[in-house]
Amino acid sequence: GEDVEQSLFLSVREGDSSVINCTYTDSSSTYLYWYKQEPGAGLQLLTYIFSNMDMKQDQRLTVLLNKKDKHLSLRIADTQTGDSAIYFCAESNSNTGKLIFGQGTTLQVKP
Amino acid sequence: DADVTQTPRNRITKTGKRIMLECSQTKGHDRMYWYRQDPGLGLRLIYYSFDVKDINKGEISDGYSVSRQAQAKFSLSLESAIPNQTALYFCATSDPKRPGGELFFGEGSRLTVL
Repeated sequence: GEDVEQSLFLSVREGDSSVINCTYTDSSSTYLYWYKQEPGAGLQLLTYIFSNMDMKQDQRLTVLLNKKDKHLSLRIADTQTGDSAIYFCAESNSNTGKLIFGQGTTLQVKP
Repeated sequence: DADVTQTPRNRITKTGKRIMLECSQTKGHDRMYWYRQDPGLGLRLIYYSFDVKDINKGEISDGYSVSRQAQAKFSLSLESAIPNQTALYFCATSDPKRPGGELFFGEGSRLTVL
């Protein structure tokens, strides 16, 4: 079945780059997503990438997709304390339209 | 005002009680979802609905039921709550015509079953 895996925790220093990794199993995924959840809030879409793309850049965010290895990463440049949150990777199934989420990676940014 | 509103935001109840979590949206989206969030497990899909007459089970539907009363309303019921249903529950909506299929989430309903 569909599965999305992430490591649970990442700690970086303010100003460093953060890289959050994700692996998925569904080769028919249409889109892959990164959502951000701040404390006490729901999830908000950060960015997404279409499955026929390798890379997408949006200001401090860079998404890399290796479709062969079913690996997705999110790089945050110049990480700030306000980037501290839980980051979820998700894939959409083109047949069902459902989104399947990973476990979430808690990013801790130290001053 | 929030586009996706969940009520209640917090609820403490006892084992065996019936609980309903409600979700309403002003986004005009046909698709609505219920997820539960548990630490270390991420979000798991309970039920989803692609229009008013469509209801589908997700990964973990046992012990839950849903009702799609209107395009804007999708409620989740626990007929007889048990402690392992203690979790943070999220309602979400999406528009399949929107590129990327983004989900829009409510702020969550925290349920504690004693």
